[in-house]
Amino acid sequence: NAGVTQTPKFQVLKTGQSMTLQCAQDMNHEYMSWYRQDPGMGLRLIHYSVGAGITDQGEVPNGYNVSRSTTEDFPLRLLSAAPSQTSVYFCASSDSGTGKKLFFGSGTQLSVL
Amino acid sequence: RKEVEQDPGPFNVPEGATVAFNCTYSNSASQSFFWYRQDCRKEPKLLMSVYSSGNEDGRFTAQLNRASQYISLLIRDSKLSDSATYLCVVKGGYQKVTFGTGTKLQVIP
Repeated sequence: NAGVTQTPKFQVLKTGQSMTLQCAQDMNHEYMSWYRQDPGMGLRLIHYSVGAGITDQGEVPNGYNVSRSTTEDFPLRLLSAAPSQTSVYFCASSDSGTGKKLFFGSGTQLSVL
Repeated sequence: RKEVEQDPGPFNVPEGATVAFNCTYSNSASQSFFWYRQDCRKEPKLLMSVYSSGNEDGRFTAQLNRASQYISLLIRDSKLSDSATYLCVVKGGYQKVTFGTGTKLQVIP
């Protein structure tokens, strides 16, 4: 009963490096999303997907790419890391529908030096 | 104006006290509402959904006031283990989910 699995838990990058944060869910959820959380800012939506092959931008999409080739996986790619991307990242999924709750992964603490 | 606004606190209350948090939202078309709890930058976890008729789960009571566009969370008989940040979450149009910045609660022995 894994739920939402997010890797890695911690990552340190140098400015300009690229990396992919992995997110997988085993609940057959249509909706998946990525958030970043910064002190005093709350959780801000980066990108989301409402099904395989469908993605859209959230509130803060610049510097990030996503794809959704399967229902289970929703990776987040940082193309050229910047210090402003230092944050805690959470992946979340839910069933479709307005009353459906979000299930979160355990988060990734990313530092960009 | 932020879409979802919360008082960041901290609310410092003694054990056994009753404490209430409010959250206001700007989009009158918002469709569903939740309270999440977050401990020390861990992942948020659902505390309870919020219904128009109000709902209760043990020591926790949630209310929704659509006319005034706010939701509330009441915690009775506070426990040390209730210390956390409480996030107000509003779901608007198709899968648009907006989080408040959270209200920090510290329950003091």
